[in-house]
Amino acid sequence: DAGVIQSPRHEVTEMGQEVTLRCKPISGHDYLFWYRQTMMRGLELLIYFNNNVPIDDSGMPEDRFSAKMPNASFSTLKIQPSEPRDSAVYFCASTLKTGAGALHFGNGTRLTVT
Amino acid sequence: GESVGLHLPTLSVQEGDNSIINCAYSNSASDYFIWYKQESGKGPQFIIDIRSNMDKRQGQRVTVLLNKTVKHLSLQIAATQPGDSAVYFCAENGETSYDKVIFGPGTSLSVIP
Repeated sequence: DAGVIQSPRHEVTEMGQEVTLRCKPISGHDYLFWYRQTMMRGLELLIYFNNNVPIDDSGMPEDRFSAKMPNASFSTLKIQPSEPRDSAVYFCASTLKTGAGALHFGNGTRLTVT
Repeated sequence: GESVGLHLPTLSVQEGDNSIINCAYSNSASDYFIWYKQESGKGPQFIIDIRSNMDKRQGQRVTVLLNKTVKHLSLQIAATQPGDSAVYFCAENGETSYDKVIFGPGTSLSVIP
């Protein structure tokens, strides 16, 4: 298996622009998580899905952030409009079953908003 | 005002020595814990896990100890190697949702050759 695939690996954009991050989870995994990692706040859970349905989005910082999972093999995290404080590494992770196995992480998207 | 960055605890060990990385978890109801290793430029990777009905679990060169009384986890790495240099995170089930996986702040391990 190729593992969790995220794209792009790096994104540099100007403040005010829309940013879309993409994730392909491991086939057969029922859960998908989006995390944000910064030096200030460490690894923060933004949102997670179970069977394509958003279960908890309480970690999404503002209405500028939205996430979708239109099918079992694809998810997006969108920021519109982007701001410099959104600069971070965004990770996607999937797992077959929570509480009984590890999260499998992608290599992240490093976002820089200037 | 001036912002304060996250001060990542750092552990430096000599190659060949044993390493012990500690973690305090927050939710006394958590019943599943995982240690992850994150190398530069990569996502966290699973190392070892433990359920709350166990005190100790061993893997290859790694051992996790769980003390539920004081809500403390530790990761022991035997014969530490340069390839072990990374940031190590403990993770637990979230307080309000069993499915949520919450990460600790992490510890940076540096192995001196």
